[in-house]
Amino acid sequence: DVKVTQSSRYLVKRTGEKVFLECVQDMDHENMFWYRQDPGLGLRLIYFSYDVKMKEKGDIPEGYSVSREKKERFSLILESASTNQTSMYLCASMRQLTRPSSNQPQHFGDGTRLSIL
Amino acid sequence: AQKVTQAQTEISVVEKEDVTLDCVYETRDTTYYLFWYKQPPSGELVFLIRRNSFDEQNEISGRYSWNFQKSTSSFNFTITASQVVDSAVYFCALSGGGNTGKLIFGQGTTLQVKP
Repeated sequence: DVKVTQSSRYLVKRTGEKVFLECVQDMDHENMFWYRQDPGLGLRLIYFSYDVKMKEKGDIPEGYSVSREKKERFSLILESASTNQTSMYLCASMRQLTRPSSNQPQHFGDGTRLSIL
Repeated sequence: AQKVTQAQTEISVVEKEDVTLDCVYETRDTTYYLFWYKQPPSGELVFLIRRNSFDEQNEISGRYSWNFQKSTSSFNFTITASQVVDSAVYFCALSGGGNTGKLIFGQGTTLQVKP
């Protein structure tokens, strides 16, 4: 079974802090994703990565950055946290077998509920 | 632009009732993939099914069934004889052509099954 592990289930930070959310997957998946989930909006893609050191912006990248130094780890960074970034953050990974690989399901972590005070 | 709409925000049923969750999508891609995920209270999204745009066969898995109709751009999900353990948020998602696997999610439908 694929295991996607997010470092924290709950996190409370203060406005202006630099915040790191960590995600690790154990199945050697090429693609990794960061989403945020808000009531009534579903999940929205922040950033994704299809290889080490490669990243692409998703639909709502403003205020966020990412890092992928190793294949199994994908970090989301809030450079200067703001209250409107209070949300549930979900990490996912996906195997990229062939082109196109859009038919592969993504595997999700348990999520990190982040509160910015 | 791609879009997924789940018009039902919340549904409440009594155990053993059948329930259908609606999903309507928009895409200009000729090749695309549709997914359903379940999010129980624990938070993790659990993959339920995927369907590609060339396969309009309905699928049944136990109490779950899916009806994919390209003519109406819908991919509806039915739970037969619902159980309390089915209580969760259900998401429909769309992935277009290409090799990134990016998903466009609907807003989600919260299903509450009462005993």
